[in-house]
Amino acid sequence: NAGVTQTPKFQVLKTGQSMTLQCAQDMNHEYMSWYRQDPGMGLRLIHYSVGAGITDQGEVPNGYNVSRSTTEDFPLRLLSAAPSQTSVYFCASSYSNSGRGQTQYFGPGTRLLVL
Amino acid sequence: KQEVTQIPAALSVPEGENLVLNCSFTDSAIYNLQWFRQDPGKGLTSLLLIQSSQREQTSGRLNASLDKSSGRSTLYIAASQPGDSATYLCAIHGNQFYFGTGTSLTVIP
Repeated sequence: NAGVTQTPKFQVLKTGQSMTLQCAQDMNHEYMSWYRQDPGMGLRLIHYSVGAGITDQGEVPNGYNVSRSTTEDFPLRLLSAAPSQTSVYFCASSYSNSGRGQTQYFGPGTRLLVL
Repeated sequence: KQEVTQIPAALSVPEGENLVLNCSFTDSAIYNLQWFRQDPGKGLTSLLLIQSSQREQTSGRLNASLDKSSGRSTLYIAASQPGDSATYLCAIHGNQFYFGTGTSLTVIP
């Protein structure tokens, strides 16, 4: 198993550009989520999904869109990048469709710099 | 909103010492608590998961405890090694997942 994979590993964007961060898992997990990690603020939940076709907002959803057309993939879209979105982005997955009682598995992260 | 605090933010100990990392949270209505390790520039690796009905979990030299009534969890590391140097994060699963800001641990050979 590859586990949770994320691409790209690093990206530089200009303000106003859009892009998609890719996340895939091969563990047949129902629950997937996106976090951003900023210095001194810990990880904050952006969006999550409890199964294909179902997504919901987390703590900091503004400026981001998600979709879940398959169990394996959960892309994160930045609609119009802003310097405040400079961060490290992590994707995670869990077997349970609520994430409850199950270990979360994390991808290696995508470092995003918005100029 | 759940607030998760980890103190201290950084800790440096000599090799072989036993140590305790602390995690506190404000809302006791949780499903589980998970401790993670994060190495520089890497993702998170799960260490221990404690269900809300449990008091502790053990894995090798690691022991995690949970006291929901006081809103506290501790991660005990026995006989620390330089390879234990990393940032340790606790995460609370309530209505959503909430993370602490972590404790950066350095074990000096």
